[in-house]
Amino acid sequence: GENVEQHPSTLSVQEGDSAVIKCTYSDSASNYFPWYKQELGKGPQLIIDIRSNVGEKKDQRIAVTLNKTAKHFSLHITETQPEDSAVYFCAASTGKSFGNEKLTFGTGTRLTIIP
Amino acid sequence: NAGVTQTPKFRVLKTGQSMTLLCAQDMNHEYMYWYRQDPGMGLRLIHYSVGEGTTAKGEVPDGYNVSRLKKQNFLLGLESAAPSQTSVYFCASSGLQRTHGNTIYFGEGSWLTVV
Repeated sequence: GENVEQHPSTLSVQEGDSAVIKCTYSDSASNYFPWYKQELGKGPQLIIDIRSNVGEKKDQRIAVTLNKTAKHFSLHITETQPEDSAVYFCAASTGKSFGNEKLTFGTGTRLTIIP
Repeated sequence: NAGVTQTPKFRVLKTGQSMTLLCAQDMNHEYMYWYRQDPGMGLRLIHYSVGEGTTAKGEVPDGYNVSRLKKQNFLLGLESAAPSQTSVYFCASSGLQRTHGNTIYFGEGSWLTVV
């Protein structure tokens, strides 16, 4: 089955600097890659996703890049703010048309923004 | 709009006791999921359902049972709780890709401790 590795497990950056979290996947059939943000005591929330037919997607201060050849994808957060402090999870799936039951998650990155 | 609601939020069980976690969603989603979250292991799928009256095993189904008698509800049961089932449990739901995309919506979690 799919295996998703995520690095680093913890990351601290100064407020205003950029943060990058990287994930690799093993199943070449995977074509859907979402990123989730989990705040303390809350459930994960989708923040951005990308499909394999594009190499990059941006949404304001966050962006995701995908390298299908190398089977890795990354989350980029620019101009970080204190409210970006959270645990971030990457995930991968074959993106079947009838649901997300094959979604495999990475182990998470705890991002801390230092004021 | 409540989204995905889980009850109870916290529970302490003795080894061998049984309990049921309740999940309700008000988004008319076809798909529902139960995940467990353990430190350093990300989110792992326990069971899922692709529609009312259906259930299927996920990555870590042993020791759990589920039922989906109504479209809006997905129940997770522990017949004989074990300390290894101490975890945070998340219910989630998603709609048909063609109408809702791939977004999975998570509940806020249920903290279960088995002593």
